[in-house]
Amino acid sequence: DAMVIQNPRYQVTQFGKPVTLSCSQTLNHNVMYWYQQKSSQAPKLLFHYYDKDFNNEADTPDNFQSRRPNTSFCFLDIRSPGLGDAAMYLCATSPLRAGLYNEQFFGPGTRLTVL
Amino acid sequence: GNSVTQMEGPVTLSEEAFLTINCTYTATGYPSLFWYVQYPGEGLQLLLKATKADDKGSNKGFEATYRKETTSFHLEKGSVQVSDSAVYFCALLTANKLVFGAGTILRVKS
Repeated sequence: DAMVIQNPRYQVTQFGKPVTLSCSQTLNHNVMYWYQQKSSQAPKLLFHYYDKDFNNEADTPDNFQSRRPNTSFCFLDIRSPGLGDAAMYLCATSPLRAGLYNEQFFGPGTRLTVL
Repeated sequence: GNSVTQMEGPVTLSEEAFLTINCTYTATGYPSLFWYVQYPGEGLQLLLKATKADDKGSNKGFEATYRKETTSFHLEKGSVQVSDSAVYFCALLTANKLVFGAGTILRVKS
């Protein structure tokens, strides 16, 4: 089945220790997104890629970076995790139809714990 | 600006009860509208969508109708099950981004 895969599902890191979360897709969608979701809140968009074009949200901290080496993979790098970065991180993809963005398909998420 | 307002939860129902979760939106233009469902510890799953006025989205017994005149997209289900317990997010797509409501927790008791 075509899908969005996130690894690992659970990640524990230490305060200040860089961590990378990964996302892959078999849907061949042009657009990939990273969201942060804290408990009982709606997901918050961090950034997205339209093919290789990177689009950062204005309020995304510099501590968060992303890489998309090819269509299938996208990585979220947190350079120096703080306690406030503990959250669920969701990857999503979206097809383009007639040049327009469409519904987003989400992966299962990675729960990040910062000790 | 663009925004989505959902009814506050938690909503607690008995099995086989009728469900309504209200959702209203503010947007420029004619956005596409979505309901997503999130089960505990999981990502969001697209439940249903509508792309233009008077469209009805439906899936797994859930329905929602895009009402432009009232800027609403209320989610309904005729008979809920315990397995429907989850968080439901209403969202609109505009300027290539999803704008989410705050989410509504649904708890269904057997």
